[in-house]
Amino acid sequence: GAGVSQTPSNKVTEKGKYVELRCDPISGHTALYWYRQSLGQGPEFLIYFQGTGAADDSGLPNDRFFAVRPEGSVSTLKIQRTERGDSAVYLCASSLTGGGYGYTFGSGTRLTVV
Amino acid sequence: AQKVTQAQTEISVVEKEDVTLDCVYETRDTTYYLFWYKQPPSGELVFLIRRNSFDEQNEISGRYSWNFQKSTSSFNFTITASQVVDSAVYFCALSEARNFNKFYFGSGTKLNVKP
Repeated sequence: GAGVSQTPSNKVTEKGKYVELRCDPISGHTALYWYRQSLGQGPEFLIYFQGTGAADDSGLPNDRFFAVRPEGSVSTLKIQRTERGDSAVYLCASSLTGGGYGYTFGSGTRLTVV
Repeated sequence: AQKVTQAQTEISVVEKEDVTLDCVYETRDTTYYLFWYKQPPSGELVFLIRRNSFDEQNEISGRYSWNFQKSTSSFNFTITASQVVDSAVYFCALSEARNFNKFYFGSGTKLNVKP
């Protein structure tokens, strides 16, 4: 596609439920990133993929968070046993080669845990 | 400790005024990149500029200009003759040589340009 697509754009879930957030990067982009943006804050790094593998998952806050990119294109961020503190906008970005060049961000998924 | 500090939470100006958004960063790496992004109400982060740590030349792009000063660890952004369409949240970000793929963002400055 022309840009980075994230679905759903909004997700409301109950505390304790499992959610999946999807990111469709720009076609051909090998690097994919997930960030989390809490209200009034800047984005915080979660995880970076180069191809199919997670090259850096140091930003994942705990083991309830997991992300996959099985075919090196679409990525899914999975959150188990959601908590109210997980409420945030989850942003995905992709770039052609990585290395901090040419990030293109999606519009994000707004997750609300009630 | 915060790697990127944007002390101005919110700024309001009247159209055609000049406005400067401040950014102070902290890093031990000698090689790093600095960025500015714009986040309009739609939520998408729009890339504005990337500078590397070895290039301290100021840059101008239309009404936008950037002042990079290593001596004060600052990378400030000026909008000249502001317009209503400039209203957005602006983020400064840093990536370091140890991992260029990991960006550290400041908390953002919300700019309101009133007609």
